[in-house]
Amino acid sequence: NAGVTQTPKFRILKIGQSMTLQCAQDMNHNYMYWYRQDPGMGLKLIYYSVGAGITDKGEVPNGYNVSRSTTEDFPLRLELAAPSQTSVYFCASSYSTGVAYNSPLHFGNGTRLTVT
Amino acid sequence: TQLLEQSPQFLSIQEGENLTVYCNSSSVFSSLQWYRQEPGEGPVLLVTVVTGGEVKKLKRLTFQFGDARKDSSLHITAAQPGDTGLYLCAGGKMNYGGSQGNLIFGKGTKLSVKP
Repeated sequence: NAGVTQTPKFRILKIGQSMTLQCAQDMNHNYMYWYRQDPGMGLKLIYYSVGAGITDKGEVPNGYNVSRSTTEDFPLRLELAAPSQTSVYFCASSYSTGVAYNSPLHFGNGTRLTVT
Repeated sequence: TQLLEQSPQFLSIQEGENLTVYCNSSSVFSSLQWYRQEPGEGPVLLVTVVTGGEVKKLKRLTFQFGDARKDSSLHITAAQPGDTGLYLCAGGKMNYGGSQGNLIFGKGTKLSVKP
């Protein structure tokens, strides 16, 4: 099973450039999430979606946009890249809400983004 | 504001030693999950604890949820090099990151077990 697939694995952007981080899951999960992980800082929630057509802001949404046109895909868009967006980005999915005891998050292997 | 404090931040031990990692908060959580993350990969769930005082065992790993559901611990017996990784705790919190509620992650404990 593929699970959660993220592309690309690595990317270097110049300040002001834009890009889309791709995320796809094949588990028919309703809930999908984008997190960023900075060294020594844990995971911070950027955006999440509870189903196709529905998205909501997380803890650190500024500078990012998302869309959810299908159950499988949840791309993350950076419009004007800034050095502060240098991070490792993780996409995750779950069957139900992440606070549910029986609905763990399934993570992709991340995209390492550097903005210079 | 860091709602979940993990300690220690780094831990380097020899194979065969025991260790305990702590996850503390002043907030009450509906559940507490522990994940392990290896370099270049995403976190993978180890266990979920739900009931205050609950203890779960996974081979040499023992997880405990505090009676008040504000803290948790992970104890590893006779650590092996394969236990090396970043251990993350995550608490389920309603109204965090949206009205649905989401998981709040600690900063993690980086464990290195030397042969």
